[in-house]
Amino acid sequence: KAGVTQTPRYLIKTRGQQVTLSCSPISGHRSVSWYQQTPGQGLQFLFEYFSETQRNKGNFPGRFSGRQFSNSRSEMNVSTLELGDSALYLCASSPWTLNTEAFFGQGTRLTVV
Amino acid sequence: ELKVEQNPLFLSMQEGKNYTIYCNYSTTSDRLYWYRQDPGKSLESLFVLLSNGAVKQEGRLMASLDTKARLSTLHITAAVHDLSATYFCAVDVNNAGNMLTFGGGTRLMVKP
Repeated sequence: KAGVTQTPRYLIKTRGQQVTLSCSPISGHRSVSWYQQTPGQGLQFLFEYFSETQRNKGNFPGRFSGRQFSNSRSEMNVSTLELGDSALYLCASSPWTLNTEAFFGQGTRLTVV
Repeated sequence: ELKVEQNPLFLSMQEGKNYTIYCNYSTTSDRLYWYRQDPGKSLESLFVLLSNGAVKQEGRLMASLDTKARLSTLHITAAVHDLSATYFCAVDVNNAGNMLTFGGGTRLMVKP
């Protein structure tokens, strides 16, 4: 069974640019969550999508957005990149039934220069 | 606001020794996860604790959950170098694994 796939694995962008990251969940999983990991702030929840709808959102500015497609694949977008957006972005998928767990992808390492 | 606190943040120990990592959280929750992360890698699920009093063991690691005390522990028995990694606990507020609040992590170094 294939795991959670994130692309690209590494990305270098310039301040002010925008970036789109992609996440393909485990087959059959309908919930996709995104997390940002930085040395200073640790692991923080960004948002969660289920059936193409954003159901939960963390405390991040509006520059961070996402969407989910009918096949459950998800993308997150960061506009007007800042140096502080440099981080490991992790995607997790779950079936979203009670008493299940989330499985994490390998992450996308974003560096903003 | 839910807060999840781990201690210690850094732990250096000799092989063969025992130690415990603590995870305290500030709100009612019956679900807690432990993850392992190697440098530059993603999160590997270690344990899912689903109820008060839950105890799970895998190899040299054992995790427990006390929901009344809002405390989970990860106990390491007879540590080996391969256990060197960062360990995170995470509280699941929605009971569905899709919105986790993480502790700050405990960086474990096991010296030969």
